[in-house]
Amino acid sequence: DAGVTQSPTHLIKTRGQQVTLRCSPKSGHDTVSWYQQALGQGPQFIFQYYEEEERQRGNFPDRFSGHQFPNYSSELNVNALLLGDSALYLCASSPRDSPTEAFFGQGTRLTVV
Amino acid sequence: AQSVTQLGSHVSVSEGALVLLRCNYSSSVPPYLFWYVQYPNQGLQLLLKYTSAATLVKGINGFEAEFKKSETSFHLTKPSAHMSDAAEYFCAVSDANQGGKLIFGQGTELSVKP
Repeated sequence: DAGVTQSPTHLIKTRGQQVTLRCSPKSGHDTVSWYQQALGQGPQFIFQYYEEEERQRGNFPDRFSGHQFPNYSSELNVNALLLGDSALYLCASSPRDSPTEAFFGQGTRLTVV
Repeated sequence: AQSVTQLGSHVSVSEGALVLLRCNYSSSVPPYLFWYVQYPNQGLQLLLKYTSAATLVKGINGFEAEFKKSETSFHLTKPSAHMSDAAEYFCAVSDANQGGKLIFGQGTELSVKP
C-alpha cells in the first residue's frame, strides 16, 4: 500500500501565478482533506472533499479551490499567488465512515517568490 | 468552537529522561484528541488518539497520553527519551460531527540531548 501520495514534492512559483497540487489517497479511503502548514505553525484546515464535492471549508479565501475525481484523488488549486501562500501543503485521506482514521501524505513545499 | 493550546513551543530533555508534552483543549462537545509527530521535511504521523474509550491511550514508539476531562488536558508522555524522538509534535482535536476536520495546536519541538 503506497499510502497517501502527493505531487510535486517541491514547487517554486512567482507572485500572481496559479498552482495545482495533487493528492492520491490511501487505498480504501474516499475522503480527502487539505491543510496548509506555514513555517513554524501547526497545520490549518483548508477544505475536505467527499463524493466529488466540497463538504467543509476552513477560513481560506476563494483563491483556494479544489476538485475530487471519481477515483477519489484530489487537486488543490491556488490562484493569484501571494508571498504568504508559501507553506507546506498536506493532504490527508480517510474512510468516510471512520473520519478519525486520517493518514497524511509527505506534503508539497510551495515557495512563492 | 474547538481549539488546542500546546504549552511550550520547545522542550529539551536528556536521553533516558521523561518526556512530557502538554496539550489543553477547548470543545463544546465530547472531543476526539490526537497526537501527531512530524520529522523534518515530512508529513504527519499519528502517534495515538482518544475517541471516548479508555482515558489512558497507548501509542507507537512507547508514547502514551491520558485524557483528563476535568482539566481539559491530553498530555503526551514517554518514560525514557531516545535520540530518535527529536521531532515536532502536534496535538489536535476533532469531533464526530466535524467529519474528521482536525484543529491543530502550534506544535512543540522536542530536542533530546545525549
